[in-house]
Amino acid sequence: EAQVTQNPRYLITVTGKKLTVTCSQNMNHEYMSWYRQDPGLGLRQIYYSMNVEVTDKGDVPEGYKVSRKEKRNFPLILESPSPNQTSLYFCASTPPGLPYEQYFGPGTRLTVT
Amino acid sequence: KNQVEQSPQSLIILEGKNCTLQCNYTVSPFSNLRWYKQDTGRGPVSLTIMTFSENTKSNGRYTATLDADTKQSSLHITASQLSDSASYICVVRVSGGYNKLIFGAGTRLAVHP
Repeated sequence: EAQVTQNPRYLITVTGKKLTVTCSQNMNHEYMSWYRQDPGLGLRQIYYSMNVEVTDKGDVPEGYKVSRKEKRNFPLILESPSPNQTSLYFCASTPPGLPYEQYFGPGTRLTVT
Repeated sequence: KNQVEQSPQSLIILEGKNCTLQCNYTVSPFSNLRWYKQDTGRGPVSLTIMTFSENTKSNGRYTATLDADTKQSSLHITASQLSDSASYICVVRVSGGYNKLIFGAGTRLAVHP
């Protein structure tokens, strides 16, 4: 089954404790991205990757890092999480060519205390 | 500034009734407009994608319209079902460059028996 998976689905952590949220897709897509979703706001892009070893900042990259060492995986790294990073996070992958449909993962709900 | 605004913020309807959700956008240059359905605790799932030249597109009981002149779109749900309870997100893709998407904040629909 074609899908985007994320782990963990739920995470409660404390300020400053490094964490990684994994994202994997089995559709051989080159383009992947990370979003955060907060109440009352639309999804906002954190980082995106157009291919292996090619990543770039989205609209809200502060406090986040990513890596893309393999096509299928695109982990999101929070080196020193803070409470304002409490949010719902989505990974997405996109096949090449118009209309550039996005396939979203199930989401990771992160709480930083 | 590229923006997508949706109305209403929330809506309650009775099962079997129809409803229409609105989306106004100021995005340029325009590539396409999507409607996503997001169930609670899940990632968004695409319902329709419309390009500049498409006025109407249907997906089962969901019908989206697009007026590129007034920069408005609507999503009409016919004969609502309890399973239609979800958030509906309007998203506009910016033409050119990488896959830049502008997300609306969504309309939360509750269908009551």
